[in-house]
Amino acid sequence: GEDVEQSLFLSVREGDSSVINCTYTDSSSTYLYWYKQEPGAGLQLLTYIFSNMDMKQDQRLTVLLNKKDKHLSLRIADTQTGDSAIYFCAEMDTGYSTLTFGKGTMLLVSP
Amino acid sequence: NAGVTQTPKFQVLKTGQSMTLQCAQDMNHNSMYWYRQDPGMGLRLIYYSASEGTTDKGEVPNGYNVSRLNKREFSLRLESAAPSQTSVYFCASSSRFEAGGYEQYFGPGTRLTVT
Repeated sequence: GEDVEQSLFLSVREGDSSVINCTYTDSSSTYLYWYKQEPGAGLQLLTYIFSNMDMKQDQRLTVLLNKKDKHLSLRIADTQTGDSAIYFCAEMDTGYSTLTFGKGTMLLVSP
Repeated sequence: NAGVTQTPKFQVLKTGQSMTLQCAQDMNHNSMYWYRQDPGMGLRLIYYSASEGTTDKGEVPNGYNVSRLNKREFSLRLESAAPSQTSVYFCASSSRFEAGGYEQYFGPGTRLTVT
């Protein structure tokens, strides 16, 4: 079955870059996503990448996809305290109907 | 345009009680979803509805039922609540990107405690 793995916790200082990693098992995944969850709130889509791409940049966010190793990463440049949140990696199934989420990585940014 | 709304925001139930969690979206989306979120477990799919009139089981459907009342509304029912159902429940709906993928939009969640 599908499985998405993430490290559980990352701590960085304000102004540093953060890199959150994710591995997935479904080689036929079509889209891969990064969602952000702030305390007490629902999930918000940050960015996504189509499986035929290997990189996508969106302002401070860079997504890298290594399809051979089934590895996805999210880099946040110039991390701010407002970036402190839980970040979820997710893959879409080939039927385009459901997402499988990782357990989430808690990012803590200290001043 | 309110997006995805959920009621109630908080609920405390005793074991064996029943309740229905309500979800509505005003974005004219076809697909809707119910997830539960537990500490250290991420989000797990309970049920989903790909279109009005259809529902399908997700990863953890036991103890739940759903109703897709119309295109806007998708409710989740706990017939006999158990402490293991203490969780945060999220409803979502999805639309298609221009590029062909799907984005899921999430509601704010319902925090349910079963004692």
